[in-house]
Amino acid sequence: EAGVTQSPTHLIKTRGQQVTLRCSPISGHTSVYWYQQALGLGLQFLLWYDEGEERNRGNFPPRFSGRQFPNYSSELNVNALELEDSALYLCASSGVSNQPQHFGDGTRLSIL
Amino acid sequence: QQQVKQSPQSLIVQKGGISIINCAYENTAFDYFPWYQQFPGKGPALLIAIRPDVSEKKEGRFTISFNKSAKQFSLHIMDSQPGDSATYFCAASKSRDDKIIFGKGTRLHILP
Repeated sequence: EAGVTQSPTHLIKTRGQQVTLRCSPISGHTSVYWYQQALGLGLQFLLWYDEGEERNRGNFPPRFSGRQFPNYSSELNVNALELEDSALYLCASSGVSNQPQHFGDGTRLSIL
Repeated sequence: QQQVKQSPQSLIVQKGGISIINCAYENTAFDYFPWYQQFPGKGPALLIAIRPDVSEKKEGRFTISFNKSAKQFSLHIMDSQPGDSATYFCAASKSRDDKIIFGKGTRLHILP
């Protein structure tokens, strides 16, 4: 069974730019979660999508947004990039009926 | 507000010893307590999880102890091996598929 896949693995951007990160969940999983793992801040919940709808949102500014497609894959968009957005962005997925979350290996985003 | 507090920040254990990581939580609505293991360059992997109606859960060399009244839980790694060297995160959520609140992580190093 293929795990959660994320692309790209690494990305370098400059301040003010926009970025899109992509996630494909485990086959059969309908929920997708996004987390930010920044140095010194640990893992922080960003967004939760289920069946195409945003279910919950963490304490992040509106320039962090996303969506989930009919095939359950997801995108995370970050506008007006700031230096502190440098982090590992992790995607996780879970199946129906209260299943645990399984993580991908993340996208390393560096802001210059 | 740090809802899940984890200690120690780092831990060095001799091969064959017992590694112990402690966590405390604040929100009594949490109903699911997973532990994740993360190796460098990889995403977190679910190691073991417990619900608050159980005081202990064991899977191989890994044991979670849970004290609901004290709002504390811990991970014990018996017969620690160099391959266990990784960062461990305790976490909590209101259900398996709800957002996860992570502790800050413990960097474990097992001496050969």
